[in-house]
Amino acid sequence: ELKVEQNPLFLSMQEGKNYTIYCNYSTTSDRLYWYRQDPGKSLESLFVLLSNGAVKQEGRLMASLDTKARLSTLHITAAVHDLSATYFCAVDIMYSGGGADGLTFGKGTHLIIQP
Amino acid sequence: DAGVTQSPTHLIKTRGQHVTLRCSPISGHKSVSWYQQVLGQGPQFIFQYYEKEERGRGNFPDRFSARQFPNYSSELNVNALLLGDSALYLCASSLTLLRQGAYEQYFGPGTRLTVT
Repeated sequence: ELKVEQNPLFLSMQEGKNYTIYCNYSTTSDRLYWYRQDPGKSLESLFVLLSNGAVKQEGRLMASLDTKARLSTLHITAAVHDLSATYFCAVDIMYSGGGADGLTFGKGTHLIIQP
Repeated sequence: DAGVTQSPTHLIKTRGQHVTLRCSPISGHKSVSWYQQVLGQGPQFIFQYYEKEERGRGNFPDRFSARQFPNYSSELNVNALLLGDSALYLCASSLTLLRQGAYEQYFGPGTRLTVT
């Protein structure tokens, strides 16, 4: 069974600081997704990482993927309050004998950025 | 272009009742997946439909069923509702299957189901 583990699960940080969220997964996959979710809202796609060594950046967020280590990171640079949200990583695997490709999500990292 | 749409937005049901949730994918998308997100957890995969056929299901009981229509919209049905079925139900669409070239799944706004 695929397991996707994120840490930390809760993170409170001050504006202007840097921090990294880690996502480990337990089976081989070359695709990893990062989503943002605001309270009561749906999932907003942040990054799609499709190969080993992939690195993508958008504003103050940068994501990377190491498929050999089965590890992805989401790095936050000089955090601002607007980045407060819950961040999920997800891995796609084959379900039911190879027919479907549903995403398996981590539990999420609840990020609070304080002024 | 319209994104993934879901209806209703919110729903309150009583234990033992039945519920139907609806999803319209992005125009041109042929795959629809359903996820359940319990408060404080990540979404869990329930079903995927592609070209009107079920391609797979996650670890959910037979009380959960779904179908996809010729216009690629989809319904999720849950029978004999339990308190534990209270959750945000998310629909996601993609052009094809992820492993057949689709880039990613696009999520709708969700239906918030409360079972009392």
